[in-house]
Amino acid sequence: AQKVTQAQTEISVVEKEDVTLDCVYETRDTTYYLFWYKQPPSGELVFLIRRNSFDEQNEISGRYSWNFQKSTSSFNFTITASQVVDSAVYFCALSEANNQGGKLIFGQGTELSVKP
Amino acid sequence: DAEITQSPRHKITETGRQVTLACHQTWNHNNMFWYRQDLGHGLRLIHYSYGVQDTNKGEVSDGYSVSRSNTEDLPLTLESAASSQTSVYFCASSELVGAHEQFFGPGTRLTVL
Repeated sequence: AQKVTQAQTEISVVEKEDVTLDCVYETRDTTYYLFWYKQPPSGELVFLIRRNSFDEQNEISGRYSWNFQKSTSSFNFTITASQVVDSAVYFCALSEANNQGGKLIFGQGTELSVKP
Repeated sequence: DAEITQSPRHKITETGRQVTLACHQTWNHNNMFWYRQDLGHGLRLIHYSYGVQDTNKGEVSDGYSVSRSNTEDLPLTLESAASSQTSVYFCASSELVGAHEQFFGPGTRLTVL
């Protein structure tokens, strides 16, 4: 069965600290896709990144980086030098390739609070 | 610019009433989805559609229905609203294959009294 676990319910950091959000997934498919979404206090869901199961290369986008490790079924998200504007709920999600139309299975979310 | 909209943004209703939440997208996406978001559960899939006249049940479909008469719209109906259906509802759309990210609407906050 497919499942996404974000064990960290809440994280609080001080501005400029680095923070890593953990995501562990379960799937029987060999082809699948992993996503991160951000939900700021305004409530909308903002797409951050997509990774497919064949590409374990880490990704960096500005202060954001993602570490995908199939060996540990993890897709962790690191924010470097965090800022107050990073305060949000972050969701990790899984979509399986045999899942026509790409239904997303979400983790429970991690609420990140960045204090000035 | 293409977008996905939901209406109303906020709704208060009473137990037993029928409620319909609208979702409209201009991405011309075949796939559309309805999720509900509850504290501690993340987002859970209610119903989804792969195209016109196609609808499918998701993880938490009891008490909900959808219909797809055109590409742009997927209204979600609560047949007889219950307090357990108080939640934030998100509509999303995506291109055909699973590799594509879903684009989400702004959400509808529904309160059932």
